Amino acid sequence: DAGVIQSPRHEVTEMGQEVTLRCKPISGHNSLFWYRQTMMRGLELLIYFNNNVPIDDSGMPEDRFSAKMPNASFSTLKIQPSEPRDSAVYFCASRLGTIAGELFFGEGSRLTVL
Amino acid sequence: SQQGEEDPQALSIQEGENATMNCSYKTSINNLQWYRQNSGRGLVHLILIRSNEREKHSGRLRVTLDTSKKSSSLLITASRAADTASYFCATDGPGGGADGLTFGKGTHLIIQP
Repeated sequence: DAGVIQSPRHEVTEMGQEVTLRCKPISGHNSLFWYRQTMMRGLELLIYFNNNVPIDDSGMPEDRFSAKMPNASFSTLKIQPSEPRDSAVYFCASRLGTIAGELFFGEGSRLTVL
Repeated sequence: SQQGEEDPQALSIQEGENATMNCSYKTSINNLQWYRQNSGRGLVHLILIRSNEREKHSGRLRVTLDTSKKSSSLLITASRAADTASYFCATDGPGGGADGLTFGKGTHLIIQP
């Protein structure tokens, strides 16, 4: 299995630009999670989906952030417009079941907003 | 806010020594997990311990859980240079196992060759 695949691995953009991060979960996994990691705040859960349905987006920092999961094999996290404080590493993770169990993480997308 | 808090924040030991990291959490849990993160990489699951378990082993890893103290420890025995990484504990959210995991800020472990 190829594992969780994220793209792009690195993105540098200017403030105000739209950013789209992509994630392909492990085939057959039913839950998908988006996390953000910074030195100051550590790992923060932004949103998660069970069977492609958003369950809890209370961690999404602002309306500038949105996430979709149109099908079981693809999810996007969009930031529009981006701001320098959005600079972080964004991780996608998937889980086989919808209740408990280990998370499988992608390698992350490092976002720098200038 | 962080559910799990690791201690110490950083730890440097000699290769071959044992490394112990601690995690404290605030609310009731169904299970607690430990993850490793190498620099610039994603997190990798190490071990899961359920709330009704007190100790669990996996290779050179030993995890303990004390639900009365809301704490867990991760012991890595006979450390190797390749064990250099950040280690995170993670707990269920308020909704139990159906939620995402809440991570601490991690312990950065350095193994000196």
